[in-house]
Amino acid sequence: AQKVTQAQTEISVVEKEDVTLDCVYETRDTTYYLFWYKQPPSGELVFLIRRNSFDEQNEISGRYSWNFQKSTSSFNFTITASQVVDSAVYFCALTRTDKLIFGTGTRLQVFP
Amino acid sequence: DAGVIQSPRHEVTEMGQEVTLRCKPISGHNSLFWYRQTMMRGLELLIYFNNNVPIDDSGMPEDRFSAKMPNASFSTLKIQPSEPRDSAVYFCASSAGTGLPRETQYFGPGTRLLVL
Repeated sequence: AQKVTQAQTEISVVEKEDVTLDCVYETRDTTYYLFWYKQPPSGELVFLIRRNSFDEQNEISGRYSWNFQKSTSSFNFTITASQVVDSAVYFCALTRTDKLIFGTGTRLQVFP
Repeated sequence: DAGVIQSPRHEVTEMGQEVTLRCKPISGHNSLFWYRQTMMRGLELLIYFNNNVPIDDSGMPEDRFSAKMPNASFSTLKIQPSEPRDSAVYFCASSAGTGLPRETQYFGPGTRLLVL
């Protein structure tokens, strides 16, 4: 069975702190895809990144970076120098050729 | 480019009434997905279409729910009759390419449904 675990229910930080959101997944497939989505207070779901299981290179996009480690089945997301606008719920998701399986999300609150 | 468009954005109805949610996918995308988000169950896939054909509707909770995609630019999710437990945010998403869920799905703003 496929499963995504986001153990951190809620994280609070002060602006400019770095923060890492954890994502651990379970799958027996050798080919699979991992995603991160952001859900700000306005409610929409915003796509952040897609990674396939054969690409373990870390990704950096501005203040965002992702660390994919197949050995530990983790796909962690780090925000550097957090800002108030980063406050949102962040979802990690997994799929193969079937349904997109979402984790329960991590609520990040960044205080000024 | 316009993203996925959903209407209405908010819907308040009374138990027993019919509710119709609408979705316009991103132009050129050939797959469309309906999700439901609740506090208790998180994000759940209800049904998805590829090239207007329903591929997997195993997530549709019961016969009160139905979805159609009459053409590539429009889909509806209907609940008849509605019940208070149907209260949730309903998202529509679309993707391009093969249409398989491994492709990136882009979500609409959602419809917040409240059934009294």
